[in-house]
Amino acid sequence: DAGITQSPRHKVTETGTPVTLRCHQTENHRYMYWYRQDPGHGLRLIHYSYGVKDTDKGEVSDGYSVSRSKTEDFLLTLESATSSQTSVYFCAISIQGAETQYFGPGTRLLVL
Amino acid sequence: SQQGEEDPQALSIQEGENATMNCSYKTSINNLQWYRQNSGRGLVHLILIRSNEREKHSGRLRVTLDTSKKSSSLLITASRAADTASYFCATAPGAYGNNRLAFGKGNQVVVIP
Repeated sequence: DAGITQSPRHKVTETGTPVTLRCHQTENHRYMYWYRQDPGHGLRLIHYSYGVKDTDKGEVSDGYSVSRSKTEDFLLTLESATSSQTSVYFCAISIQGAETQYFGPGTRLLVL
Repeated sequence: SQQGEEDPQALSIQEGENATMNCSYKTSINNLQWYRQNSGRGLVHLILIRSNEREKHSGRLRVTLDTSKKSSSLLITASRAADTASYFCATAPGAYGNNRLAFGKGNQVVVIP
């Protein structure tokens, strides 16, 4: 998995609770991405980062926030989880933007 | 936003046969990439083809790109059971400074031993 870990790998939570997912890389790559994958929708970009403290929104960013205080860590936060955020979340890294991306193993999130 | 669209969506073939899948997109691109995803795993990069390239090979994979038709095809030759997976195309828009990829919905390929 190209030196990318995601934690937790599985999580069950209740509607309205905050949730933070962590992506950690050992490659020191500049670009990091958070996607969600849902049946019928493929992979959709939530947020991405192009450096420490530099982030930008993707196509499905509502209800999500991110932070990157260190090169190696990119955090995705659901401030108040909703059932529509039940999904599989993937982190990815790349050396250059819009070039080859390397994906983590994913986090399965179930919001009840 | 621009998005790759794969066709066909699902493909079932016998081991040893070739598998072909297509991807279409709507706007100009810098590059187009193909990824594979095995069940329950993250995506794995297979091949990248740039907008000024027409064909690229990697092992049993052959990718073509036709920018005039805004389409790409991925050919897997002599398929194996281990090729059973979902295959996604992803496009990198040609706009300067765009750091995103747009992924298609994926092609499910089942190779029957």
